[in-house]
Amino acid sequence: LAKITQPISMDSYEGQEVNITCSHNNIATNDYITWYQQFPSQGPRFIIQGYKTKVTNEVASLFIPADRKSSTLSLPRVSLSDTAVYYCLVDHAMDSNYQLIWGAGTKLIIKP
Amino acid sequence: GAVVSQHPSRVICKSGTSVKIECRSLDFQATTMFWYRQFPKQSLMLMATSNEGSKATYEQGVEKDKFLINHASLTLSTLTVTSAHPEDSSFYICSARGAQGLYSNTEAFFGQGTRLTVV
Repeated sequence: LAKITQPISMDSYEGQEVNITCSHNNIATNDYITWYQQFPSQGPRFIIQGYKTKVTNEVASLFIPADRKSSTLSLPRVSLSDTAVYYCLVDHAMDSNYQLIWGAGTKLIIKP
Repeated sequence: GAVVSQHPSRVICKSGTSVKIECRSLDFQATTMFWYRQFPKQSLMLMATSNEGSKATYEQGVEKDKFLINHASLTLSTLTVTSAHPEDSSFYICSARGAQGLYSNTEAFFGQGTRLTVV
């Protein structure tokens, strides 16, 4: 199973672009990479998901190199409300079962 | 995205009593539901996985007789913490997935979480 490592915390300032990199060695061929955002005392909220190369949606971009052993979540022009914990996950599918492998989370603090 | 509703959001109970937490998928049929537990400043810890109509599969170290999971329909799963004790106080979160192909095959939708305090 993939082992996931991500920074414990990061600081940035409003208006900046924030990049959070996650390593997921031993990722399997059929595994997807997903990022979630969590505010205190709330359930995680889906941000973005990808398999390889680059994926972009209205809130973030996800960059995945060819070897897929890492991924970078990019948040453009962050605001104070982006202060949260960001989890990198590998979604491991085996037969008909899904297994979400969670990173420890990166606490992102946005300063004015 | 899809909506998963979890109820109650907060509950305080006396030691020795049981507490039931409901998790509902409001706009899709959840073939698989997951129950997590989260301690402060820690990542989510998977407790069990349940498929509709089947017995839940518990993770190692999770007592199935203490944490009863029922997934009787495609839109409802319940977690009952039986004979709760203060060490069971935690944040419990459910997650649901639809049938493959309905949404992304890997996107899981999460409930708002339930803060359980056992006094």
